Amino acid sequence: ETGVTQTPRHLVMGMTNKKSLKCEQHLGHNAMYWYKQSAKKPLELMFVYNFKEQTENNSVPSRFSPECPNSSHLFLHLHTLQPEDSALYLCASSQGVGWDNEQFFGPGTRLTVL
Amino acid sequence: KQEVTQIPAALSVPEGENLVLNCSFTDSAIYNLQWFRQDPGKGLTSLLLIQSSQREQTSGRLNASLDKSSGRSTLYIAASQPGDSATYLCAVRSSNTGKLIFGQGTTLQVKP
Repeated sequence: ETGVTQTPRHLVMGMTNKKSLKCEQHLGHNAMYWYKQSAKKPLELMFVYNFKEQTENNSVPSRFSPECPNSSHLFLHLHTLQPEDSALYLCASSQGVGWDNEQFFGPGTRLTVL
Repeated sequence: KQEVTQIPAALSVPEGENLVLNCSFTDSAIYNLQWFRQDPGKGLTSLLLIQSSQREQTSGRLNASLDKSSGRSTLYIAASQPGDSATYLCAVRSSNTGKLIFGQGTTLQVKP
């Protein structure tokens, strides 16, 4: 595997389910990101991790719980979601969080909440 | 608050045409501007990055320009091909916060 991978690629869940999204980067980067892409809306940054530490949480509801066990892996744990949480969730990584660092994106997980 | 707008939302052209995608932003305090491509079911691929001090960047058939004072960027695609069909996203990095702010994208279809 190369670049940034995400699993699963598609996920359908009920509002009472608990599921997790996984992201893995094979680029040797130190920073990882979760973005949400809803229909008709721009990409929204959710969380930023740098060297496994969360450095940014953009007022994301607590029903989304990120976890970064090491610099190569990032999870997004989901529980008690709402239908409006249905979206494409994109993971990205970069060498660092400095402004010149290019972000590399995974293919995303298409989430549908019933 | 920085806002990024891309017009049109969708564009359909015949193969071989030269075309321009537009991006506008409300706050000229930007560090850089980036154009991405997103194919259906796939993530974003960076196409061009323009630093705030630059006026344009070129890569193959793509040319991106930046006019910071007017809050505009254009992505010019020469001799379009069906393989160029995708959604093109513009993003600016704020020089105040460092945050990357995305537009909603322009979905391009190039017909054979």
